[in-house]
Amino acid sequence: DSGVTQTPKHLITATGQRVTLRCSPRSGDLSVYWYQQSLDQGLQFLIQYYNGEERAKGNILERFSAQQFPDLHSELNLSSLELGDSALYFCASSVLASGNNEQFFGPGTRLTVL
Amino acid sequence: GEDVEQSLFLSVREGDSSVINCTYTDSSSTYLYWYKQEPGAGLQLLTYIFSNMDMKQDQRLTVLLNKKDKHLSLRIADTQTGDSAIYFCAEVSGGYQKVTFGTGTKLQVIP
Repeated sequence: DSGVTQTPKHLITATGQRVTLRCSPRSGDLSVYWYQQSLDQGLQFLIQYYNGEERAKGNILERFSAQQFPDLHSELNLSSLELGDSALYFCASSVLASGNNEQFFGPGTRLTVL
Repeated sequence: GEDVEQSLFLSVREGDSSVINCTYTDSSSTYLYWYKQEPGAGLQLLTYIFSNMDMKQDQRLTVLLNKKDKHLSLRIADTQTGDSAIYFCAEVSGGYQKVTFGTGTKLQVIP
């Protein structure tokens, strides 16, 4: 158990819908990262937040957005969902924002878009 | 640009050594990591190496880094069935810790 929690574990929805994925980092970790893992794209970094502010952006679509709240939990919002958005979404947390900094991964949310 | 490549699959017999290879293209990488992903689980950091090191040993794991060829390898000695998983290398570059993961290598250990 990494100490990072993600809800829900599974999510099934239809195209065009909007969903919110939630992540609670390890106690004391200020940085949260979101990743998407799919069969054809592999593991892709989406976005990083540090202490409430966006820190780095990766391959995140405009239909997706994220935020980190004052209690440090984070939400990833996915809208106008398409079949290709079906994937495992991982959240990770770390103490620092940069440098050599181990990221602890949550168990993931499996999103299926029908 | 950054592109991290790995072979997709490796099969070894229990007790043998496994070597998983990774090539990357970003010469400004500062740290390189190896993560393990077991079925249905998230990624777990196994080990890392600084870009100014050539080798790092950690119990059964040995990491070799060839900066000139941008080649990273992970050797697992005395491979066990519990080592069966997908192994990802990842490079970290830039002050904001931009992480690029490899495509992952699925290690199958045959009893």
